[in-house]
Amino acid sequence: GENVEQHPSTLSVQEGDSAVIKCTYSDSASNYFPWYKQELGKRPQLIIDIRSNVGEKKDQRIAVTLNKTAKHFSLHITETQPEDSAVYFCAASPWDTGNQFYFGTGTSLTVIP
Amino acid sequence: KAGVTQTPRYLIKTRGQQVTLSCSPISGHRSVSWYQQTPGQGLQFLFEYFSETQRNKGNFPGRFSGRQFSNSRSEMNVSTLELGDSALYLCASSLIGTEETQYFGPGTRLLVL
Repeated sequence: GENVEQHPSTLSVQEGDSAVIKCTYSDSASNYFPWYKQELGKRPQLIIDIRSNVGEKKDQRIAVTLNKTAKHFSLHITETQPEDSAVYFCAASPWDTGNQFYFGTGTSLTVIP
Repeated sequence: KAGVTQTPRYLIKTRGQQVTLSCSPISGHRSVSWYQQTPGQGLQFLFEYFSETQRNKGNFPGRFSGRQFSNSRSEMNVSTLELGDSALYLCASSLIGTEETQYFGPGTRLLVL
């Protein structure tokens, strides 16, 4: 089955700096890659997603890039703010498993004011 | 539109007991997936239901089971509880469940003593 690895597990940045979280996947059948943000005690919420026919997607301060050949995708947050502090999860969904998501182990991001 | 709801939100059980958790998806969503979230293992896929049929199943023992009703509401059951079953159980819904965003509920936090 699919295996998703996520790095780093913890990340601290100064407010205003950029943060980058990287994920790799193993199954070439994966073609949908969502990113979720989970604040303490809250439910995971989708922040951005990308499909395998797209190399990059941007939404204000958040962007995701996908390299299908290398099987890796990354989340980029620019101009970080304290409210960006949370745990971020990447996921991969192979087309042949219905809507099964394989999640990375999460990155705890702390933005220092 | 109301979001995904889960009941109960918190539950304390003792080893050997069984438990049933409930999930009501977003109106119109027909796919419901269940995940177990623990600090050490992250988010792990339990199973997915679509139109009252289990479509996918993760690598969990047979003590974990589920079902889906005609109104798309879903339940999961854990029998013969073990200490290691203590976790946050999240359900997520999507429209038809293929390469789609999943919307998560708030979770049920289960503590097994």
